[in-house]
Amino acid sequence: GAGVSQTPSNKVTEKGKYVELRCDPISGHTALYWYRQSLGQGPEFLIYFQGTGAADDSGLPNDRFFAVRPEGSVSTLKIQRTERGDSAVYLCASSPDREVGANVLTFGAGSRLTVL
Amino acid sequence: SQKIEQNSEALNIQEGKTATLTCNYTNYSPAYLQWYRQDPGRGPVFLLLIRENEKEKRKERLKVTFDTTLKQSLFHITASQPADSATYLCAQDTGRRALTFGSGTRLQVQP
Repeated sequence: GAGVSQTPSNKVTEKGKYVELRCDPISGHTALYWYRQSLGQGPEFLIYFQGTGAADDSGLPNDRFFAVRPEGSVSTLKIQRTERGDSAVYLCASSPDREVGANVLTFGAGSRLTVL
Repeated sequence: SQKIEQNSEALNIQEGKTATLTCNYTNYSPAYLQWYRQDPGRGPVFLLLIRENEKEKRKERLKVTFDTTLKQSLFHITASQPADSATYLCAQDTGRRALTFGSGTRLQVQP
């Protein structure tokens, strides 16, 4: 597609529920990233995919968070047993994965998650 | 651990003036910094990239400088306009592919 698409744009859920957030990257971009952004803060890295595999998942806060990218394109971020502290904007980005120092990210508009 | 520091206080300037934002980055070499703009309700948008061996990079009214001794990058917007009002994020690429972002500095340009 022309840009990075994220759905839903807004999600309100109750504490303890399961949530899925979807990201459709720019066509042909091999690298995909998930970030989380709280109010007044910069994006915080969660996980990075190179193709279908998670190349770096060191930013996932705990085992309630999981992400997949089964066909190397669309990715889903899954959050189990949501907590109020999970409330944030979840940003997805993709890149053509250039060499180090030239890796520019294109972000989606984000999915705003509110856990009541 | 990696930490990128930006002035968290909002910067208010008058239209036509030059805005200067500061980013202090970690002691990782080679250093690559990127600057992004973020508007409310939107994702960050890439502006400029500068590498450690580059002292300065320009794009239209934007200029980024790199001081490896101070571990600092300065981001300048000359002849600022109200439309430049946004949050500006500094990010460092340390070779792990995923960028580490600062908390951003909000710029408000008054007409």
